[in-house]
Amino acid sequence: AQRVTQPEKLLSVFKGAPVELKCNYSYSGSPELFWYVQYSRQRLQLLLRHISRESIKGFTADLNKGETSFHLKKPFAQEEDSAMYYCALYNQGGKLIFGQGTELSVKP
Amino acid sequence: DTGVSQNPRHKITKRGQNVTFRCDPISEHNRLYWYRQTLGQGPEFLTYFQNEAQLEKSRLLSDRFSAERPKGSFSTLEIQRTEQGDSAMYLCASSLGRGDSPLHFGNGTRLTVT
Repeated sequence: AQRVTQPEKLLSVFKGAPVELKCNYSYSGSPELFWYVQYSRQRLQLLLRHISRESIKGFTADLNKGETSFHLKKPFAQEEDSAMYYCALYNQGGKLIFGQGTELSVKP
Repeated sequence: DTGVSQNPRHKITKRGQNVTFRCDPISEHNRLYWYRQTLGQGPEFLTYFQNEAQLEKSRLLSDRFSAERPKGSFSTLEIQRTEQGDSAMYLCASSLGRGDSPLHFGNGTRLTVT
């Protein structure tokens, strides 16, 4: 079965602390993985994708096929990072499967 | 704003009524997706189109739901005989349709069935 699991519904950290949002996936093929973010009162938008191996707003995510994980990391959290974060898997059938989401709250 | 546009933003209807939502994708995008999102959950796939062809429909979607994309441009999602369990945010997204093409989402239509 194709599935994306985000085990934490809420992650609360203080400003300047490191952040890791966990994502595990289940997929038999070669996965294409994404992180989407939704800031308060804004639409869901792409944060980063594993194929680009890029850093966006200080966030990075590495695909670990052995552990079937795609955790999102940032060394120093900022208050403006507070948002809902969704991990997503793009299957070969052409649809994007989302995890349940993790709410990140960065306290001053 | 040339992003994905959804109308209406909010819809309140009585149980048993029919509702129709509209989505206007980014003009050069050939794929269009419909998702449903309830409180505390991630977006749940409903259906998607490649141009005017509906390529996949979720098994979770009952026969009361139908979507169309005439001429491969805008799309409509109709729910017949609405039930309280249909209350949710309905999201539309579009993409270029390549494997790594990101989805661009609209602001959604929030449906409340009373």
